[in-house]
Amino acid sequence: GAVVSQHPSWVICKSGTSVKIECRSLDFQATTMFWYRQFPKQSLMLMATSNEGSKATYEQGVEKDKFLINHASLTLSTLTVTSAHPEDSSFYICSARGTSGDTQETQYFGPGTRLLVL
Amino acid sequence: GESVGLHLPTLSVQEGDNSIINCAYSNSASDYFIWYKQESGKGPQFIIDIRSNMDKRQGQRVTVLLNKTVKHLSLQIAATQPGDSAVYFCAEDPMDSNYQLIWGAGTKLIIKP
Repeated sequence: GAVVSQHPSWVICKSGTSVKIECRSLDFQATTMFWYRQFPKQSLMLMATSNEGSKATYEQGVEKDKFLINHASLTLSTLTVTSAHPEDSSFYICSARGTSGDTQETQYFGPGTRLLVL
Repeated sequence: GESVGLHLPTLSVQEGDNSIINCAYSNSASDYFIWYKQESGKGPQFIIDIRSNMDKRQGQRVTVLLNKTVKHLSLQIAATQPGDSAVYFCAEDPMDSNYQLIWGAGTKLIIKP
């Protein structure tokens, strides 16, 4: 149990375009989802926390108009990178936390999405 | 090119030996600690957790030790195998309303044949 999926697993786009990344909890209801960004050989950097049905809370330095987060249901959150530029190229990872059992205590992570902006 | 930033500490271990990965945590109020394993190009995978009312917890081939006095956490992997090659992160959960984790820097484990 506690499986989180992400789609797409990798994406290449042109500078100036927008990219949407989906994060789904497959076998539990995720009341809270988290979006991280990870650069090579570094730890995970939290970008934002989203609770189902409410606006995401962004970490300091993360532009909310640049990284649009929607958590419209208990199993789906999306991250849209708007007007992507090469410096947005990174590995984006989501995690989810539920309301029962192990999912209540621990964040379970998706497989990540590799974004390359040309 | 590669981003400028911290380089992960590396631990090289002979296959079959035991590995010990250490982590210092920051928040004395943290109540829950987790070890994650991240293989190249993948998301972190939960390995084992421990609550602050315990000082040791064992799983399959893994043991986590918690020393609250010095705010230190360790992950022991018995009989290390090639599949254990990964970056290992400790995370502390201060169990506040934000549900956010505080992440360690990570340690890259390399298994020598």
